[in-house]
Amino acid sequence: GAGVSQSPSNKVTEKGKDVELRCDPISGHTALYWYRQRLGQGLEFLIYFQGNSAPDKSGLPSDRFSAERTGESVSTLTIQRTQQEDSAVYLCASSLDGRTGREQYFGPGTRLTVT
Amino acid sequence: AQSVTQLGSHVSVSEGALVLLRCNYSSSVPPYLFWYVQYPNQGLQLLLKYTTGATLVKGINGFEAEFKKSETSFHLTKPSAHMSDAAEYFCAVSESVGTGGFKTIFGAGTRLFVKA
Repeated sequence: GAGVSQSPSNKVTEKGKDVELRCDPISGHTALYWYRQRLGQGLEFLIYFQGNSAPDKSGLPSDRFSAERTGESVSTLTIQRTQQEDSAVYLCASSLDGRTGREQYFGPGTRLTVT
Repeated sequence: AQSVTQLGSHVSVSEGALVLLRCNYSSSVPPYLFWYVQYPNQGLQLLLKYTTGATLVKGINGFEAEFKKSETSFHLTKPSAHMSDAAEYFCAVSESVGTGGFKTIFGAGTRLFVKA
């Protein structure tokens, strides 16, 4: 079946604007994760959804960042009043059930550039 | 909290040589351990995983890793490097978030270069 998809693949925005990033997980996967990957660095955990609830929001860097998920499907990550340090690739992943710690399947990412 | 340390941000090997990428973790409970690979301009994909049972785990593309509890290590190896193995490799450990499930902690990554 289809893998995890993300849109847009690239986004260039001006400092201070709001952006919305979208993730479509694999059908049937109840767990969904957002990560941030800055250039040349590892993955930084942002938030985890089990169904449409978020047991762990500890990674969100500031109150400018928020995320929601509709049922067990699409999730959007919103960044308000973007700053240049927000420039990164934002990765989404899903897994069959987050309660079992199993492997995650990653989308191709959204490359965000804040000018 | 659990953590993952990958020794060496860059590793360079010759084609046909042994690949060894090191990973150490900290955990107070039996961990779930993973290696993911990220090829240039692509997303991450799972190479292999350890959950329970046999400590030597085989993955795709000829890679394998051995879970050594006494050393808290999960090093990735491949007997003979191929040019197509050039990529970024991430070690990861799953950490419980209480009753809500698990989240995965990633190492900083090791970029593998393969010389002809």
